[in-house]
Amino acid sequence: EPEVTQTPSHQVTQMGQEVILRCVPISNHLYFYWYRQILGQKVEFLVSFYNNEISEKSEIFDDQFSVERPDGSNFTLKIRSTKLEDSAMYFCASSDRALGSGETQYFGPGTRLLVL
Amino acid sequence: SQKIEQNSEALNIQEGKTATLTCNYTNYSPAYLQWYRQDPGRGPVFLLLIRENEKEKRKERLKVTFDTTLKQSLFHITASQPADSATYLCALAGYSTLTFGKGTMLLVSP
Repeated sequence: EPEVTQTPSHQVTQMGQEVILRCVPISNHLYFYWYRQILGQKVEFLVSFYNNEISEKSEIFDDQFSVERPDGSNFTLKIRSTKLEDSAMYFCASSDRALGSGETQYFGPGTRLLVL
Repeated sequence: SQKIEQNSEALNIQEGKTATLTCNYTNYSPAYLQWYRQDPGRGPVFLLLIRENEKEKRKERLKVTFDTTLKQSLFHITASQPADSATYLCALAGYSTLTFGKGTMLLVSP
């Protein structure tokens, strides 16, 4: 069964450093998403992406964050200058239609980011 | 602002019993609602979706109800098994976002 994959599974970085989290969505999907989950808290929406542009973004997704689909298979989340509070599990997800049409999302296994 | 509440942080039940989890929401009129399962350190896994015009949806041992008047969804697992132990998340969908509740951790004891 097709699945969303994410690399790396764990990333440790120093505060102020840039990190890039990588995702390979399910191949025929057109909508891509990033979520984060701080330890012990709920899964929070960051950004959705369709047709090479951002569809929606949350208040969390400030100027430190950016997303890109550099080729036909990868979808990346970049954090420009990491802060301690960016430490969380980051989940990528994809769907083949917009959520508003009743579509489901398929989540990857996550990247655990630790900022020291 | 939109708010989603799941009734309790943790629910302990005995194997074979029915688990019932509650999701309440305010300041939202979702077209549909989804339930996910999340195991520790893993991503959410989709279980069921129910639309606003559906009262009930079933899939094997799972049943979801949706009451848009009460702004509530109930999630039932019948004949529960220890393998059902996980956190269950309720989520409301916008056009391109999912808003999750904090989840209810279910522990099924043998």
